[in-house]
Amino acid sequence: AQSVTQLGSHVSVSEGALVLLRCNYSSSVPPYLFWYVQYPNQGLQLLLKYTSAATLVKGINGFEAEFKKSETSFHLTKPSAHMSDAAEYFCAVGGRGRDDKIIFGKGTRLHILP
Amino acid sequence: ETGVTQTPRHLVMGMTNKKSLKCEQHLGHNAMYWYKQSAKKPLELMFVYNFKEQTENNSVPSRFSPECPNSSHLFLHLHTLQPEDSALYLCASSQGTSGGLETDTQYFGPGTRLTVL
Repeated sequence: AQSVTQLGSHVSVSEGALVLLRCNYSSSVPPYLFWYVQYPNQGLQLLLKYTSAATLVKGINGFEAEFKKSETSFHLTKPSAHMSDAAEYFCAVGGRGRDDKIIFGKGTRLHILP
Repeated sequence: ETGVTQTPRHLVMGMTNKKSLKCEQHLGHNAMYWYKQSAKKPLELMFVYNFKEQTENNSVPSRFSPECPNSSHLFLHLHTLQPEDSALYLCASSQGTSGGLETDTQYFGPGTRLTVL
């Protein structure tokens, strides 16, 4: 069965500092991996998606994630945090050949310190 | 309207009430989803419709009843709910395919905040 683990339910970084949100996955088939962001009182919005075309995936708002098969990881990074990045971030895994499910992680709430 | 819309945005209901949540997508997608988002719990997939056929019912209690009359509209009918059903209910849509939805990008609505008294 597929699963995804997000390390740290809360992460705090200073404005201008590097953002690193961790995600590890488990999948018996080649995975598709997603990062979604949820701002307060809103639904989830896709940040980026890995489909095996390239291991480094660039998304919106300056975020990117690198697929590392050997580490079964798909960590999300941003070089310089902005106050507007404060939100909850969800990693998700899907994979062709499974049932119709994309499995979401528990989420990591990102706090930006002034 | 663009994207995925949900109404109402907030709903308070008693345990004996019957209410319905509505979702509409304006993206030309063929798959629609209901999720439950509770505090301190992962996002829970409840129902999936692909080309108007229900393809997933994730062990959801019968007090939740989905309806998908066409590929643009999705309803969640609620009756005799429990206080633990209080949560944010999110609707999503995706392109949809006969080959499976596991690789689709999902587009989410803003959610309905449900409180059961």
